[in-house]
Amino acid sequence: NAGVTQTPKFQVLKTGQSMTLQCAQDMNHEYMSWYRQDPGMGLRLIHYSVGAGITDQGEVPNGYNVSRSTTEDFPLRLLSAAPSQTSVYFCASSYEGGGADTQYFGPGTRLTVL
Amino acid sequence: ELKVEQNPLFLSMQEGKNYTIYCNYSTTSDRLYWYRQDPGKSLESLFVLLSNGAVKQEGRLMASLDTKARLSTLHITAAVHDLSATYFCAVGTGSNYKLTFGKGTLLTVNP
Repeated sequence: NAGVTQTPKFQVLKTGQSMTLQCAQDMNHEYMSWYRQDPGMGLRLIHYSVGAGITDQGEVPNGYNVSRSTTEDFPLRLLSAAPSQTSVYFCASSYEGGGADTQYFGPGTRLTVL
Repeated sequence: ELKVEQNPLFLSMQEGKNYTIYCNYSTTSDRLYWYRQDPGKSLESLFVLLSNGAVKQEGRLMASLDTKARLSTLHITAAVHDLSATYFCAVGTGSNYKLTFGKGTLLTVNP
């Protein structure tokens, strides 16, 4: 199993550009989520999905869109990049909600917005 | 709004010493997770604590959960350099769908 994969690893954007961060998992996990990590802030939840076709907002959703058309994929779209979105983005997945299952994290995407 | 506070945020310790990282949270939860992150890397799951009084141990690390006090601890025994990393606690509320993370504790173990 590849686990949780993310592409690209690094990306530089100019203010106002749009892009999609890709996330895929091959563990048949229902739950997937996106976090951003900023220095001294821990990880903050952006959006999450509890299954194909179902998404919801997390703590910091503004400026980001998600969709979940398949169990495997959960892309994160930046509609109009801003310097405040410079961060490291992690995708995570777990089998189901309810506690015993930890979330498995992807390797991350380091995004810089100029 | 759930708040998760870790302390200390920075911890420099000598090899062979013991220390404890604390994770306090502000609302009721019986799901607490500990993760490790090496510099420039992703997060690795260490422990999942699911009930009051839960205790788990792996090598030199032991985690416990007191839901009444809303407190989890990560105890390090006889630290070695390989334990140098950032440690995060995360609290699950409602379901596992939403985790709230602490800011992390940067642990440096010096020879």
